[in-house]
Amino acid sequence: EAAVTQSPRNKVTVTGGNVTLSCRQTNSHNYMYWYRQDTGHGLRLIHYSYGAGNLQIGDVPDGYKATRTTQEDFFLLLELASPSQTSLYFCASSPGNSDYTFGSGTRLLVI
Amino acid sequence: KTQVEQSPQSLVVRQGENCVLQCNYSVTPDNHLRWFKQDTGKGLVSLTVLVDQKDKTSNGRYSATLDKDAKHSTLHITATLLDDTATYICVVGDRGSALGRLHFGAGTQLIVIP
Repeated sequence: EAAVTQSPRNKVTVTGGNVTLSCRQTNSHNYMYWYRQDTGHGLRLIHYSYGAGNLQIGDVPDGYKATRTTQEDFFLLLELASPSQTSLYFCASSPGNSDYTFGSGTRLLVI
Repeated sequence: KTQVEQSPQSLVVRQGENCVLQCNYSVTPDNHLRWFKQDTGKGLVSLTVLVDQKDKTSNGRYSATLDKDAKHSTLHITATLLDDTATYICVVGDRGSALGRLHFGAGTQLIVIP
């Protein structure tokens, strides 16, 4: 079954810490996305990718880097985490049409 | 500026009752609209997608409408169950391909009580 798996499920880090969120999809989809979800807001796009080695900037990219190492794997990097990055992060994949498959999310707390 | 507004923000209904969730948007172009269900702490699961200028879909106890002229959609849940407790998110896609952007509403939190 097609799936998007995120890890870790939960993460706590200190301000200034270094965090990597992982996402793996087994859908053979070309497109992968990182979103953040905050109370009172819809999901907001951080970075996305059209394929291995490709990276596109989303709507709220500040403070985040991303890397697409393979078609399956998309990583979100926070090199100097700040409390404002406390959020629920979702990864998604798409074959290139209007269908999207979302992961279960990673809850990040920056203290 | 929020381009997808959902109402109500939260809703409490008794098991077995029907409910209606609203979505108004200003996204242009509006290629398609999708409703997702998000259980607490979980990912988004697609319930239905609407595409046509005036569209209707049905998926079990879920039914939805879309009026692109009014930029308005509704999600109806019939005979609610306790498992329907979740956040329902309206998403408007401005293209039919992944080159487009998805515009997310903040969601309606539905609580179904016995």
